Amino acid sequence: DGGITQSPKYLFRKEGQNVTLSCEQNLNHDAMYWYRQDPGQGLRLIYYSQIVNDFQKGDIAEGYSVSREKKESFPLTVTSAQKNPTAFYLCASSVQLPPAAFFGQGTRLTVV
Amino acid sequence: AQSVTQLGSHVSVSEGALVLLRCNYSSSVPPYLFWYVQYPNQGLQLLLKYTTGATLVKGINGFEAEFKKSETSFHLTKPSAHMSDAAEYFCAVSDTGANSKLTFGKGITLSVRP
Repeated sequence: DGGITQSPKYLFRKEGQNVTLSCEQNLNHDAMYWYRQDPGQGLRLIYYSQIVNDFQKGDIAEGYSVSREKKESFPLTVTSAQKNPTAFYLCASSVQLPPAAFFGQGTRLTVV
Repeated sequence: AQSVTQLGSHVSVSEGALVLLRCNYSSSVPPYLFWYVQYPNQGLQLLLKYTTGATLVKGINGFEAEFKKSETSFHLTKPSAHMSDAAEYFCAVSDTGANSKLTFGKGITLSVRP
């Protein structure tokens, strides 16, 4: 079955540690996205990539980094520079137009 | 820049009643419009989308939405609510150019009373 796989579903880390969230898709979509979701704030775009080896900052990129070495994969690293990393992170992919995104099941990151 | 407004954070309806979730957008040109649903601790699922053509769009689970350019609105409706419709709903907008991306509203939680 085609879809987007995010792993792990739950992740706990100590403050000051970097952590990488995995996102893999087998939909053959060119575009991939990372969103952060906090209660009452909707989805905020962290980074997006329209093509392999290229990505752009979204609205809240500070403290995050990404790579896009393969079409299928778009991992997100939450660095120690992110002031408030505890959140629900969603990965998505889409065709270019219209950008109707398919979402993964999310990773809930808790930093203690 | 585009934006989406979903007024209110919570709507409660009785089972069998009409569901109406409002969405207004801000865009200089007619955009693409989307509604997504999210169940607890899950990702978002596309309910329906408007791109071009017919302004009344039908989606999954009996939902539909109407694009009204004069009102810059894309309200989501369902004639008869079911308990399984309880979830969070997001309206989203994108422009129609190359490399467009989605901008989401803050979402609205739908509760269904038995």
